[in-house]
Amino acid sequence: GIQVEQSPPDLILQEGANSTLRCNFSDSVNNLQWFHQNPWGQLINLFYIPSGTKQNGRLSATTVATERYSLLYISSSQTTDSGVYFCAVERRYNFNKFYFGSGTKLNVKP
Amino acid sequence: DVKVTQSSRYLVKRTGEKVFLECVQDMDHENMFWYRQDPGLGLRLIYFSYDVKMKEKGDIPEGYSVSREKKERFSLILESASTNQTSMYLCASSLPTGGTDTQYFGPGTRLTVL
Repeated sequence: GIQVEQSPPDLILQEGANSTLRCNFSDSVNNLQWFHQNPWGQLINLFYIPSGTKQNGRLSATTVATERYSLLYISSSQTTDSGVYFCAVERRYNFNKFYFGSGTKLNVKP
Repeated sequence: DVKVTQSSRYLVKRTGEKVFLECVQDMDHENMFWYRQDPGLGLRLIYFSYDVKMKEKGDIPEGYSVSREKKERFSLILESASTNQTSMYLCASSLPTGGTDTQYFGPGTRLTVL
């Protein structure tokens, strides 16, 4: 398989703070996605980003495929950002199999 | 909006029981997936299906089987439930992966095997 490592495993922020979450992967990928799992367990896709940079409101993501890592930036955090953030990759030439990291658990305090 | 539904949010079963978890999606997606989520391990793929009656093993298929008789429905079967299958089970669907589409997840089923 492919190894997907996320850091940090846990993060506590005060509301309004910024943060960077990291995802390292061990092989070339077709597809990289960031997901947010809310406290009720629902997973929502945030970004599809196998390379380059994308922004969506207060969130942005950058993937440097040649160096095998991706970063998720959260700016001006809100309590609703709390939950677990997962990175998932689809290994090149191994379609349909997604490998998830173990996640970063974020707690944003008011 | 894509909707993926799962038959139960919470389920309690006894060791040795046969357990069926059902997943239905309403977006005519070809691909469907079953994952289990355990603390510290992220999501691990059990099985996926890329068409009706087609299936492929994921990384942890032991102790599980699947059925896809209709495009919209993908069932996960625990033939004889064991306590180490206590977990959160998540279903997902997507278009055929050309690398451009996301997976859409159901709300999850938290299964406890006593």
